[in-house]
Amino acid sequence: GAVVSQHPSWVICKSGTSVKIECRSLDFQATTMFWYRQFPKQSLMLMATSNEGSKATYEQGVEKDKFLINHASLTLSTLTVTSAHPEDSSFYICSAARDRVYEQYFGPGTRLTVT
Amino acid sequence: GENVEQHPSTLSVQEGDSAVIKCTYSDSASNYFPWYKQELGKRPQLIIDIRSNVGEKKDQRIAVTLNKTAKHFSLHITETQPEDSAVYFCAASNTGGFKTIFGAGTRLFVKA
Repeated sequence: GAVVSQHPSWVICKSGTSVKIECRSLDFQATTMFWYRQFPKQSLMLMATSNEGSKATYEQGVEKDKFLINHASLTLSTLTVTSAHPEDSSFYICSAARDRVYEQYFGPGTRLTVT
Repeated sequence: GENVEQHPSTLSVQEGDSAVIKCTYSDSASNYFPWYKQELGKRPQLIIDIRSNVGEKKDQRIAVTLNKTAKHFSLHITETQPEDSAVYFCAASNTGGFKTIFGAGTRLFVKA
């Protein structure tokens, strides 16, 4: 149990376009989902925390108008990178947690390349 | 703000030797400390975790110790194998706020 999927696994887009990444918990209900960004050979940086049915909480320095997060159901959260720029190129990973459970289960990640 | 420091950044050991990775955290409210293994291009995998009411936990070749007073926790891998080669991240979270802070990672190389 506790499987999290992410789609797409990789995407290439042009500057100025928007990209949507989906994160799904396949076999459990995720009260909370997290979005991380990871640069090569670096750690995971938390971008935002989202709870089903409420607005996401963004970390300091993360532009909420650029990285739109929607957590419409207990099994789906989406991250939309708007007006993408080359510096947005990165590995984006989501994770999901059950209610009152400590563990986070990670998705496989999405590699975004903006040209 | 909250911070987790992890050392060393790189660790190279001979197959069969032990490997130790150490972390310190700043938020005294942290009460959950997971360790993740991440292979290149893949998702982080939880390998072991410890909660603040426990000082030590072991799972086969992997053990974690926690010193709440000193805000230190460590990962110990015994009898290392080449397949243990990966990047290991420690993390600390406050389940009240549910925010997890990751260490910078340790790249472990196990030489055959």
